Amino acid sequence: SQQGEEDPQALSIQEGENATMNCSYKTSINNLQWYRQNSGRGLVHLILIRSNEREKHSGRLRVTLDTSKKSSSLLITASRAADTASYFCATAGRGSTLGRLYFGRGTQLTVWP
Amino acid sequence: DAGVIQSPRHEVTEMGQEVTLRCKPISGHNSLFWYRQTMMRGLELLIYFNNNVPIDDSGMPEDRFSAKMPNASFSTLKIQPSEPRDSAVYFCASSTGGGETQYFGPGTRLLVL
Repeated sequence: SQQGEEDPQALSIQEGENATMNCSYKTSINNLQWYRQNSGRGLVHLILIRSNEREKHSGRLRVTLDTSKKSSSLLITASRAADTASYFCATAGRGSTLGRLYFGRGTQLTVWP
Repeated sequence: DAGVIQSPRHEVTEMGQEVTLRCKPISGHNSLFWYRQTMMRGLELLIYFNNNVPIDDSGMPEDRFSAKMPNASFSTLKIQPSEPRDSAVYFCASSTGGGETQYFGPGTRLLVL
């Protein structure tokens, strides 16, 4: 399967702590993206990292990509209760599969006040 | 800017009825995606279009499902006849193509009784 797989499936932390979620995939990629989904809503794009990049920052988000290990991590620093949501990684393949994204099952993050 | 627009937001219907879901992508986006999300199977890609042409419909579960994109600003997903196992949240997303960021609509929550 070309789908990414997030780990852990669920994560529960206190406000102020950092949250780290991981994503593994199996095929060569063009880019890897992270999305957030609040309960009852659509997915919202957070950050995109290309295959020739190793790290990217956006506000309290830090994403790393290791193409040799076919893995990525999303770090949310100083988490807030409002960060409670499901987080999905999605990979964009190369060649004939370019155009679609392959989504994982997601990590459910709960941040307690 | 208006995002992806989906209608209806909620649909309750009886088994055997025809259901039509509608989507208006973001202006200027040339790729459109239909997804289905359930607790059991997560987020599944049903079909995607590029420049109004269906590119990959391998995710369409059965002949009961059909999708059209008559022009760049409108797409429909039809289920005929509907069955209880079709109950899910259906998302439409659009992008500029090439595996770039996808922008999701709010979804249509379908319940088939």
